[in-house]
Amino acid sequence: DIQMTQSPSTLSASVGDRVTITCRASQSISSWLAWYQQKPGKAPKLLIYKASSLESGVPSRFSGSGSGTEFTLTISSLQPDDFATYYCQHYNSYPWTFGQGTKVEIK
Amino acid sequence: EVQLVESGGGLVQPGGSLRLSCAASGFTFSSYSMNWVRQAPGKGLEWVSYITSSSSTIYYAESVKGRFTISRDNAKNSLYLQMNSLRDEDTAVYYCARVPGSYAFCDYWGQGTLVTVSS
Repeated sequence: DIQMTQSPSTLSASVGDRVTITCRASQSISSWLAWYQQKPGKAPKLLIYKASSLESGVPSRFSGSGSGTEFTLTISSLQPDDFATYYCQHYNSYPWTFGQGTKVEIK
Repeated sequence: EVQLVESGGGLVQPGGSLRLSCAASGFTFSSYSMNWVRQAPGKGLEWVSYITSSSSTIYYAESVKGRFTISRDNAKNSLYLQMNSLRDEDTAVYYCARVPGSYAFCDYWGQGTLVTVSS
């Protein structure tokens, strides 16, 4: 199985900061990677698919990059609504797995 | 508007069974593959099972294989997860999620239903 490792596990940042979250795959997954945002008590929300494609309706301050085994999710200017937990997920091959999550907290 | 509404969760004893349902609306259900994803309390997301639009291909996570059965009824716009031989570690919120195209990521999620396995 392909393992997905996110870093950091927790990130403290201020409104307006540029934030970067990293996701590493244990083997190459090409660009078959999605990013989700989850707020407490809510379902995850799709942000990015195919590593860098922005889901419709998602603000342009979110961007994704990478291929192979290393990927990043960047929030260009953190907004109050962005404090949440972020997950990556590969869909290169069965079984599909998620990273352990990165919690973005208010500094 | 795409809507996915899960139901059927609750408290069940270890070794017991439960059947989850997911009612879909706002899209052509019969054209989409679907996933079940779960989240244990305070933990991360875990993919559980996948079914194609015609039910021709089904996958399970190793942790549930042989105990859980995914199915769908396209005439009723509904997805199901039959869970047998439940264990404490199956306690989680279970989400159904739509899979766009031929990929396996999830573009729409339900609100989830809580399954608690405890004696």
